[in-house]
Amino acid sequence: DIQMTQSPSSLSASVGDRVTITCRASQSIGRYVNWYQQKPGKAPKVLIYTASSLQSGVPSRFSGSGSGTDFTLTISSLQPEDFATYYCQQSYSSTYTFGQGTKLEIK
Amino acid sequence: EVQLVESGGGLVQPGGSLRLSCAASGITLGSYWMHWVRQAPGKGLVWVSRMNSDGSSSSYADSVKGRFTISRDNAKNTLYLQMNSLRAEDTAVYYCARELGGFDYWGQGTLVTVSS
Repeated sequence: DIQMTQSPSSLSASVGDRVTITCRASQSIGRYVNWYQQKPGKAPKVLIYTASSLQSGVPSRFSGSGSGTDFTLTISSLQPEDFATYYCQQSYSSTYTFGQGTKLEIK
Repeated sequence: EVQLVESGGGLVQPGGSLRLSCAASGITLGSYWMHWVRQAPGKGLVWVSRMNSDGSSSSYADSVKGRFTISRDNAKNTLYLQMNSLRAEDTAVYYCARELGGFDYWGQGTLVTVSS
């Protein structure tokens, strides 16, 4: 199975900061990466699909990049509602996998 | 409005079985790839299984292969997950999700607890 390794596992930041979360795949997966935001007690919400496409309705401060094995999710200016846990996911293989998550906390 | 509503969770003893349902409205399940994803209490997301749009293909995580079966009833517009030989480590909230780009619609989840 393809492993997805996210870093960091947790991150403290302030409102207005620029934040980058990275995800590394255990093998090349083209651009088949999606990013999700999850808040406590809620289902995840897709932010970015196929590495860099912004999901409809998602604010433009969220962006994604990368291909092959290395991918990033960037939040250009953190807002209070962005404090949550973020997951990458690969959809390259027939068995999908998620990263372990990055918990973004208020500094 | 698209809605996915899971049901069928509950408390089951180790070795037991449960069938989860995911009833869809606002979409026709047979037009999309559909997935099950689970999340143990306080842990991360784990992909469990998927079925393609015409129902001809399915796949499973290694941790559930041979024990879980995904299926669909087109007339009822409902996705299922039959879970057999349940283990304590299967305890989780189970979500169904539609794939269109990413997983763009999710249900609210149903809790499965495996315990004696």
